[in-house]
Amino acid sequence: TQLLEQSPQFLSIQEGENLTVYCNSSSVFSSLQWYRQEPGEGPVLLVTVVTGGEVKKLKRLTFQFGDARKDSSLHITAAQPGDTGLYLCAGAHYQLIWGAGTKLIIKP
Amino acid sequence: EAQVTQNPRYLITVTGKKLTVTCSQNMNHEYMSWYRQDPGLGLRQIYYSMNVEVTDKGDVPEGYKVSRKEKRNFPLILESPSPNQTSLYFCASSSVGTHDREQYFGPGTRLTVT
Repeated sequence: TQLLEQSPQFLSIQEGENLTVYCNSSSVFSSLQWYRQEPGEGPVLLVTVVTGGEVKKLKRLTFQFGDARKDSSLHITAAQPGDTGLYLCAGAHYQLIWGAGTKLIIKP
Repeated sequence: EAQVTQNPRYLITVTGKKLTVTCSQNMNHEYMSWYRQDPGLGLRQIYYSMNVEVTDKGDVPEGYKVSRKEKRNFPLILESPSPNQTSLYFCASSSVGTHDREQYFGPGTRLTVT
C-alpha cells in the first residue's frame, strides 16, 4: 500500500512567522499536487510539481519536489491569517495517493 | 463558470434508509470520483469512473454504489446507510490524460447517519 505522510498534522503560529510542511513517501510519483481546503469547501489545487528538484513559487508559498520525486515541501513566508486552512498533498501514480493533511492556523 | 455541484450539502438520516447524493460537472471531464473525508484519515477514494458506463472501486467501496449513465453526472448511492458512513463526502472530476490530472472538487456533502 502506498502511503503519503504529511507532517506536522497540526500547526498553529503567529502572523508573520515562517513555516514548512512536509509530504513524504517511499514511492516515486510522476507528479505531486498541493491543495488547500478551507472549512465548508472542497480542496482547491495550489500547484503541481513534476520534475525532481523542481521549485515553484506562488507569492509567499514555495513548493519543492524532491530530487527522487518521493517527497515534497511547502514553505510559507510571513504567514497571514488568510493562509489558514487544511493543506493536502497528493502524489500521482496510477491513482492519486493522498496525504492526511496539515491543519494550519495563523493567528493575527 | 466551471464547477462541480453536489446535493444535498447536508443530510441527516437514519440507519437503513436508502439515499442518493448527486454530483454534476460542467467541464466535460471524463474522470469523476467520490471521496470521503474523516478527521486524521484524509481523503479516501470510494469509487471512480474513467468515462460513461465505466466505474471501478476505490479504497473504501463497501456499502456504496455508483453509476455513470451520463458524462456529467456521477451519483453516489447508499443502499442501507450505517452510522460508520457518517462523514464528509466530496465528488471530484478531472480530465483523463493530462499529466497533472488536477482534481476539481465539489463543495462537499456532510452526511450524518443515526
